[in-house]
Formats: sequence, C-alpha cells, structure tokens
Amino acid sequence: GAGVSQSPSNKVTEKGKDVELRCDPISGHTALYWYRQSLGQGLEFLIYFQGNSAPDKSGLPSDRFSAERTGGSVSTLTIQRTQQEDSAVYLCASSFRRGGWETQYFGPGTRLLVL
Amino acid sequence: AQSVTQPDIHITVSEGASLELRCNYSYGATPYLFWYVQSPGQGLQLLLKYFSGDTLVQGIKGFEAEFKRSQSSFNLRKPSVHWSDAAEYFCAVGAGEYGNKLVFGAGTILRVKS
Repeated sequence: GAGVSQSPSNKVTEKGKDVELRCDPISGHTALYWYRQSLGQGLEFLIYFQGNSAPDKSGLPSDRFSAERTGGSVSTLTIQRTQQEDSAVYLCASSFRRGGWETQYFGPGTRLLVL
Repeated sequence: AQSVTQPDIHITVSEGASLELRCNYSYGATPYLFWYVQSPGQGLQLLLKYFSGDTLVQGIKGFEAEFKRSQSSFNLRKPSVHWSDAAEYFCAVGAGEYGNKLVFGAGTILRVKS
C-alpha cells in the first residue's frame, strides 16, 4: 500500500515569508507526527496528533510554528515569518495508534531552505 | 528527560566484516527502543524495535540488537555487512506519557569499503 507522502519535496523561501508543508499519512493510521531534522539539532520531535484528541505540541520551538490535521487524515505544518534557523528537513510519520510500541512510518520529508 | 547517545559519528567497515553500532540511553523504566536507517535523500526506515520480552531482537536486512538494562545499551549488530548497508543509523527511545515521542541519537554514518 501507499506510504506516508509529503509535499513539496523541496521548498525555498525568503526570510519572513510563511510556508505550509503537507503530510498524507498511511490510510487508517490514527496517529500523525512531525519531526525536524537539522544539522545543529539533529532529529527532534515537534508535534503529534491522535484521532480527535488535542494535539501534543510540546516540541514546537516557537509560536511561529503551528499544525493542523483535517478530518483525521491530512496534516499541514505552518511556519510563519520564517527565519534562517528554520532551514531543515521536516519529516512526517504516522502509526496505527499512538502507543510507544507502535511503528512510526516516515515520509521522505520536505527540505526547507530559508534564504 | 530521556536521551540517547551514539558515541560513533562515523564508522567504516569492509564489506563482509561484522558490524556493531553503539547506543546508550537514559530512561528510568523499561524503554521503548528503536533503530532506524536513513539512506541519502530518503526517509527513516525502521530496522527493529524492543519494548519487552526477549532482549535479543531480530530485524530486517539481517540486523539484530540486544537490550542490556545493566549497561543502558541497545547496540545494533550485523554479522556480515553489504555495500548496500552504507547509510546513517539512528537509535531512538520513546518518550512522553505514551512513549511515542521519539528521542533520537545524533546518528552514526556507516561507510562500507569494498
């Protein structure tokens, strides 16, 4: 079956602009995660959604970052007023449920470059 | 807070040689532990995971890992490395109330010599 897909693959933007990154999880997966991979910070958790529960936003680095998940499926990560330090690969993952034993399946990522 | 240490940034092995990638974690209870592999330009692929039971776990592509509570380690091994194993390997521990917020190590880049 189809895996996790993300779009765009690459995004170049100017400092101060807003960007939206999209994630399509595996069908039937109730949990959806966003992670960021950067040279300085490595791989770090940002936010996760589980069904209709309130998202866990504990990893978001600033209030410029937000995410939503519509209809329990597609998710959009929005970064407002982008800064150069936001340059990174943004990875989305999904799992059947949110338990720690569940396998998280990762998408190919969106590479964001802020000029 | 949970943390993961991968002490080796780079490792080079000859094709056909054995491999061991080290991982140490910091966590109070029995952790959820994972090894992921990332090939250039690709997302992360799960190799194996541990959360209970037999401390030696088998994964895909001939990899295995052993959970050692006394050493807080979860080292990844493969008896004979193939050139296609060249990639970056990440150890992770599950954090948070449900153990589902992955905390990753810094990664180990594996190079394979022919």
